[in-house]
Amino acid sequence: GQQVMQIPQYQHVQEGEDFTTYCNSSTTLSNIQWYKQRPGGHPVFLIQLVKSGEVKKQKRLTFQFGEAKKNSSLHITATQTTDVGTYFCAGWYSGNTPLVFGKGTRLSVIA
Amino acid sequence: NAGVTQTPKFRILKIGQSMTLQCAQDMNHNYMYWYRQDPGMGLKLIYYSVGAGITDKGEVPNGYNVSRSTTEDFPLRLELAAPSQTSVYFCASSTSTITDTQYFGPGTRLTVL
Repeated sequence: GQQVMQIPQYQHVQEGEDFTTYCNSSTTLSNIQWYKQRPGGHPVFLIQLVKSGEVKKQKRLTFQFGEAKKNSSLHITATQTTDVGTYFCAGWYSGNTPLVFGKGTRLSVIA
Repeated sequence: NAGVTQTPKFRILKIGQSMTLQCAQDMNHNYMYWYRQDPGMGLKLIYYSVGAGITDKGEVPNGYNVSRSTTEDFPLRLELAAPSQTSVYFCASSTSTITDTQYFGPGTRLTVL
């Protein structure tokens, strides 16, 4: 089946450092979504990217969709303790098949 | 709107017992999903439904059953619980297409001993 690979699995950063997580697919994605799950919580939708080369920003978060629509990244500038959690990408391929979630990147921020 | 609600929040089962995890949404969403998340791991799709009366298997359906008799409810049945089913179970829903944003419930933490 289709797979979305996400790296790194874990990332520990000092508060104020930047953070990036990457998603890769071997086949072209129709769109990609990003979710955040706080510790002990449930996944919450952050954003959806649809167009090739699309870049979207939400305050300190920058989301990119690759030109070939096979990869995506989430970059957080100057991390804060409120950024702690697991970030998941989820790709949609085609037809009536559900989103395929990556395994997530768990971010720890050391104050 | 309450969004997606799940009951119970926590449950301990003995091996071989059965139970139903309840999920309801009040957003009139057509699509509903069940995921499991093992400790420190990602989300695995168990079953999903594209509308009342229609269900389909996801990545890890063995040991589970679902039904969708109404738009609002999507219960997940565990038959003959096993320790491997110890996990957090999330229900989610999305609006009119399978590519729409998924709204997740708070989860049910299940332990099988």
